[in-house]
Amino acid sequence: SAVISQKPSRDICQRGTSLTIQCQVDSQVTMMFWYRQQPGQSLTLIATANQGSEATYESGFVIDKFPISRPNLTFSTLTVSNMSPEDSSIYLCSVGASSEKLFFGSGTQLSVL
Amino acid sequence: GENVEQHPSTLSVQEGDSAVIKCTYSDSASNYFPWYKQELGKRPQLIIDIRSNVGEKKDQRIAVTLNKTAKHFSLHITETQPEDSAVYFCAASRGSGSEKLVFGKGTKLTVNP
Repeated sequence: SAVISQKPSRDICQRGTSLTIQCQVDSQVTMMFWYRQQPGQSLTLIATANQGSEATYESGFVIDKFPISRPNLTFSTLTVSNMSPEDSSIYLCSVGASSEKLFFGSGTQLSVL
Repeated sequence: GENVEQHPSTLSVQEGDSAVIKCTYSDSASNYFPWYKQELGKRPQLIIDIRSNVGEKKDQRIAVTLNKTAKHFSLHITETQPEDSAVYFCAASRGSGSEKLVFGKGTKLTVNP
């Protein structure tokens, strides 16, 4: 499986600020996704990061709040903008391998004060 | 869209007993059903998956069964060990497999020594 590096691993931020999370994969992958896992909850898909074009967002998530970049087939960023305490969650990068299996990065635990 | 229900939300068993977690899905076009194990503070790890053209799949102490007609699938863990304690998530998707996974709410499994 691909090695997925995600950083930062955790951060504590003030409300109203923004945080950019980076996801680096050790091999080229077609599909990259960003998930959110709220405390004690399941995983919710935020968006599909498309290489060279705008991300595809799921219902309830918008580009202004969660801008995503994917400049190549091994790297993506997710920004959480204008943060509020409700944004406190774990954010997970995930990639779809050639075997169609989905693998997750180590996650970014975000706390917003 | 797809909806995945998972039961039970918590499960406590004695070491050596079997554990069964059940999921139902709503979209008859779903054709890929993975299971993830998430230990506390760690990323979700894919432990087994099944496609809709297969009724059962085994990997050592873990097995997954699928009933397409009833639209439900189950995870079976035999001879449970304390290290099996974790949160287990089922998921479902259509299309190529890893895209747009919809997750169940999770089952917290505790194996008591």
